Amino acid sequence: AQSVTQLDSHVSVSEGTPVLLRCNYSSSYSPSLFWYVQHPNKGLQLLLKYTSAATLVKGINGFEAEFKKSETSFHLTKPSAHMSDAAEYFCVVSLYGQNFVFGPGTRLSVLP
Amino acid sequence: NAGVTQTPKFQVLKTGQSMTLQCAQDMNHEYMSWYRQDPGMGLRLIHYSVGAGITDQGEVPNGYNVSRSTTEDFPLRLLSAAPSQTSVYFCASSTGTSGRPYNEQFFGPGTRLTVL
Repeated sequence: AQSVTQLDSHVSVSEGTPVLLRCNYSSSYSPSLFWYVQHPNKGLQLLLKYTSAATLVKGINGFEAEFKKSETSFHLTKPSAHMSDAAEYFCVVSLYGQNFVFGPGTRLSVLP
Repeated sequence: NAGVTQTPKFQVLKTGQSMTLQCAQDMNHEYMSWYRQDPGMGLRLIHYSVGAGITDQGEVPNGYNVSRSTTEDFPLRLLSAAPSQTSVYFCASSTGTSGRPYNEQFFGPGTRLTVL
């Protein structure tokens, strides 16, 4: 069975500093991986996705993530945080032919 | 395209009442799903559908029913509401193959349900 671990329930950074949100997955096969963002009282928006092409994936708003099969990780990064990045972030794993599995989420706070 | 729409946005029920959460998509997606979101638990799959006339249970199906009579609509029914069903409910759709989503899911804005 596939599962997703998001190692930090809450991350706090200062505006202009780098962001790192960690995600590890458990899967017997090569999965598809996604990061979604949810701003307060909003729906979920796709940030980026990995589907077995390039291992470094670029998404919207300057975010990117690197798929590392040997570490079963798909960490989300951004070089410089902006106040508007404050939100909840979900790592999601999916195997071909399987439903999505969501991680518990990481809340990102950005301090002025 | 309106994408995925959900109604109502907010609802308060009393224990034992029934209601239907509406979901519609205009992208001709085969796969549709319902999730509930509770603090610290991410999104959990309630029911899903791989096409009109086909539905199946997800991780937390108890207390909920679904049907899929058209490609566009996927309503979620609460049969007898309980306080444990207080949650935020999201509907999502995706292109699918082999009975599952193979690409990203598109989410509706959510319905915030409170059961007293």
